Amino acid sequence: DAKTTQPPSMDCAEGRAANLPCNHSTISGNEYVYWYRQIHSQGPQYIIHGLKNNETNEMASLIITEDRKSSTLILPHATLRDTAVYYCIVRVTSNTGKLIFGQGTTLQVKP
Amino acid sequence: EAGVAQSPRYKIIEKRQSVAFWCNPISGHATLYWYQQILGQGPKLLIQFQNNGVVDDSQLPKDRFSAERLKGVDSTLKIQPAKLEDSAVYLCASSLSAGDTEAFFGQGTRLTVV
Repeated sequence: DAKTTQPPSMDCAEGRAANLPCNHSTISGNEYVYWYRQIHSQGPQYIIHGLKNNETNEMASLIITEDRKSSTLILPHATLRDTAVYYCIVRVTSNTGKLIFGQGTTLQVKP
Repeated sequence: EAGVAQSPRYKIIEKRQSVAFWCNPISGHATLYWYQQILGQGPKLLIQFQNNGVVDDSQLPKDRFSAERLKGVDSTLKIQPAKLEDSAVYLCASSLSAGDTEAFFGQGTRLTVV
């Protein structure tokens, strides 16, 4: 699975959009971009995933560049409850696909 | 739908003792993962099962760690003997299949080795 690079930490004001970047320059054509988050003392939670096109769900939006070498997770209106570690993962979606976590980005949402 | 259940939530043992963790995945989920998360780090995959077969255990320290998933449902992870550096949160996760988009995680077992 390809490796990802994320900033170790970011701050965001409550109510503003949080934009979390991820670099995955060695991603293969059959690898998807996944985002998980981990709130303190809990297990990781799935947020969103995508292959080429931009994706949106009730939690977030995922913007993937045309060359697929980077992506951005957008939380449109961050709340204090969004304070967590956010992990960007690339993986194949197959029976041998592994879910490998990096160090992630610690997002601190401030009042 | 019930989530992934893990027990115990907390465990304190002395080094060289043995310990076992239990995981009950979501009903019908074929894929089960065990992760080790050391404080301040991301979860590290120890072993991945597809039903009762092992898909990947390349990061499992096999001299002291073992895991099984009998009948393709519940799973246990054992450490024998424990070392100080095994202090971590042990997370279990499951998904419908390895290719499924979403894995569901339990709350984990916090192990402290003294």
